[in-house]
Amino acid sequence: KQEVTQIPAALSVPEGENLVLNCSFTDSAIYNLQWFRQDPGKGLTSLLLIQSSQREQTSGRLNASLDKSSGRSTLYIAASQPGDSATYLCAPIGAAGNKLTFGGGTRVLVKP
Amino acid sequence: NAGVTQTPKFRVLKTGQSMTLLCAQDMNHEYMYWYRQDPGMGLRLIHYSVGEGTTAKGEVPDGYNVSRLKKQNFLLGLESAAPSQTSVYFCASRGQGNSPLHFGNGTRLTVT
Repeated sequence: KQEVTQIPAALSVPEGENLVLNCSFTDSAIYNLQWFRQDPGKGLTSLLLIQSSQREQTSGRLNASLDKSSGRSTLYIAASQPGDSATYLCAPIGAAGNKLTFGGGTRVLVKP
Repeated sequence: NAGVTQTPKFRVLKTGQSMTLLCAQDMNHEYMYWYRQDPGMGLRLIHYSVGEGTTAKGEVPDGYNVSRLKKQNFLLGLESAAPSQTSVYFCASRGQGNSPLHFGNGTRLTVT
């Protein structure tokens, strides 16, 4: 059974600092891995999807890396802004390509 | 483009009552999922479907049933609601291959 851990559970930084969010998973036989953002009271919004054959994926200020063999992914957010305040979740999808398992998330607060 | 639509947005039930949550997607996606999200427990998979006419159990299927009679719709049923089913329910869908997961905005259910 896939288990996903996200550390830290919460993070508070001043505006402008870079954010580093960690995700680890126990079963390295994954199809791909997705990072999401969730605002309070809202659904999840997809940020990045990294295919199992990729090492990294970038979108604007966001960069996600994947080390499948060690069961780790990291989301980097450059030059954080107050609008980046949200909960960030990672979810590897199993090798069969059908089920995603979510981590508990990292709650981020960026202070102006 | 509506994406993933969940109805209703809110509902209050009494113990023992039944209800059906509807999820509709207009992206011709093969895969559909029902998750519940609880404080401290994260997102947990209830049931999922890999195509029209198919359903499968997830991590926490007890007390729920699902149906996927049409490709665009995935219904989640509670036959006899219990207070333990108080939660926020999210529907999600994705296409084939390395297609990202898209979420609805959730249904907040309270069982008294």
